[in-house]
Amino acid sequence: AQKVTQAQTEISVVEKEDVTLDCVYETRDTTYYLFWYKQPPSGELVFLIRRNSFDEQNEISGRYSWNFQKSTSSFNFTITASQVVDSAVYFCALTNSGSARQLTFGSGTQLTVLP
Amino acid sequence: DSGVTQTPKHLITATGQRVTLRCSPRSGDLSVYWYQQSLDQGLQFLIQYYNGEERAKGNILERFSAQQFPDLHSELNLSSLELGDSALYFCASSDSGRGADTQYFGPGTRLTVL
Repeated sequence: AQKVTQAQTEISVVEKEDVTLDCVYETRDTTYYLFWYKQPPSGELVFLIRRNSFDEQNEISGRYSWNFQKSTSSFNFTITASQVVDSAVYFCALTNSGSARQLTFGSGTQLTVLP
Repeated sequence: DSGVTQTPKHLITATGQRVTLRCSPRSGDLSVYWYQQSLDQGLQFLIQYYNGEERAKGNILERFSAQQFPDLHSELNLSSLELGDSALYFCASSDSGRGADTQYFGPGTRLTVL
C-alpha cells in the first residue's frame, strides 16, 4: 500500500520569508512518481511538478524548489521569498507505474502568507 | 486553465436524489479519473477510465457509477444521495493513463446534499 504524509497541517509566514513544506511517502515499488499540486482558495487543483523515482536531481523553478531524497523517502517543497499569492493548500501525491494508476494524496498543508 | 472542463460548477440537491456530473478531458487525453474531496476523507480516488474502458477502481460506493463515452467525455452518476456525499468532485485527465502521466484536474463540481 502507498501512503503520503504531510505532517504540517497549517503554516503561517510573513511575506518574503522562505518556507518549506514537508512530504514523506511510503511505497514498495521501485518505480514511482511524486507530484505537488496547489489548491488556491478558488478551489481548483493546479499541477506544480512531477518527479520520477529514478531521477534524484533537485529542481528549481523560479521561487519554487523541490528536494527529493530517496534515502529518507521525502519530497520537500520550498518557496523562496513567499508572496501573498502563494497562500493555498499544497498537496503532495504519489503514484506508481503498475496497474494502480491513481494518485494517493497527502492530507495537504495550508500555507498562509501574511502581508 | 488545465483544459479539463467540468459541469456544473455547483449542485445543490436533496437526500435520496440522483445527480450526474460531467467531465470533458483535455484534447488528446484518453484517460479520465474521478476524485472526491471531503473534509473528513481528504482527496480520494474513485475510478479511472481509459478510452472508454474502466481501468481502476478506488473507494467508490455502489451508489456511484461512471462511464466514459466514445467522444471521451465522462459522467459520474451519484444516486440515493446522503448528507455525507456533500463534497468537491474532481475530474482529471492524462494522455495514456500510465503512472508516469501527469494528471491535470478540472475546476471541480461542488455538491451539496441537503
